Amino acid sequence: TQLLEQSPQFLSIQEGENLTVYCNSSSVFSSLQWYRQEPGEGPVLLVTVVTGGEVKKLKRLTFQFGDARKDSSLHITAAQPGDTGLYLCAVKRENYGGSQGNLIFGKGTKLSVKP
Amino acid sequence: EPEVTQTPSHQVTQMGQEVILRCVPISNHLYFYWYRQILGQKVEFLVSFYNNEISEKSEIFDDQFSVERPDGSNFTLKIRSTKLEDSAMYFCASSPNRGTVNSPLHFGNGTRLTVT
Repeated sequence: TQLLEQSPQFLSIQEGENLTVYCNSSSVFSSLQWYRQEPGEGPVLLVTVVTGGEVKKLKRLTFQFGDARKDSSLHITAAQPGDTGLYLCAVKRENYGGSQGNLIFGKGTKLSVKP
Repeated sequence: EPEVTQTPSHQVTQMGQEVILRCVPISNHLYFYWYRQILGQKVEFLVSFYNNEISEKSEIFDDQFSVERPDGSNFTLKIRSTKLEDSAMYFCASSPNRGTVNSPLHFGNGTRLTVT
């Protein structure tokens, strides 16, 4: 079983639609990060959430950390073709005895926004 | 904005050969990392490096792998005697301090390694 379960695995929508993707776990985390990865590029950090129930906004992207700090969601309003990419959640391996810079990633949600 | 650069972007090698993947981390960063992503799978941690030594490595990072900071700017990953299953995207990353909330990892664009 995966530590971080991301859903859906794939999502194809039309420009202008809203969407939500999820990152779930049975474990509690001190923080959680969301990255976007475009084809042929490395992951780029979007946000880090730290506090249970925390909501962070990045333009049309809204990130929420679950109250129990076991899960997180990413909501995109009025999606645009430029939002196309692989959205990854990640947690620090320190939760499992590792050091802080070492991340455990989910498998990601592959989003395609068609014009 | 400063960025992590990796070369080459694509490396093709024959099974059993040695490869060296190169990275130039962001200049004032102190912590360096290698991750890999096999096609269709998760991004996986390989190793972290600080103060000229490995600070942590995963179970993937066996004796076949080694890292080095040969000078003040480059950070390399050497894979000896490559195997077919080493085919993957290899990402270098760096952070100013130990990757914390206030010191996130910056990833390069990766080297695609193909072992034939």
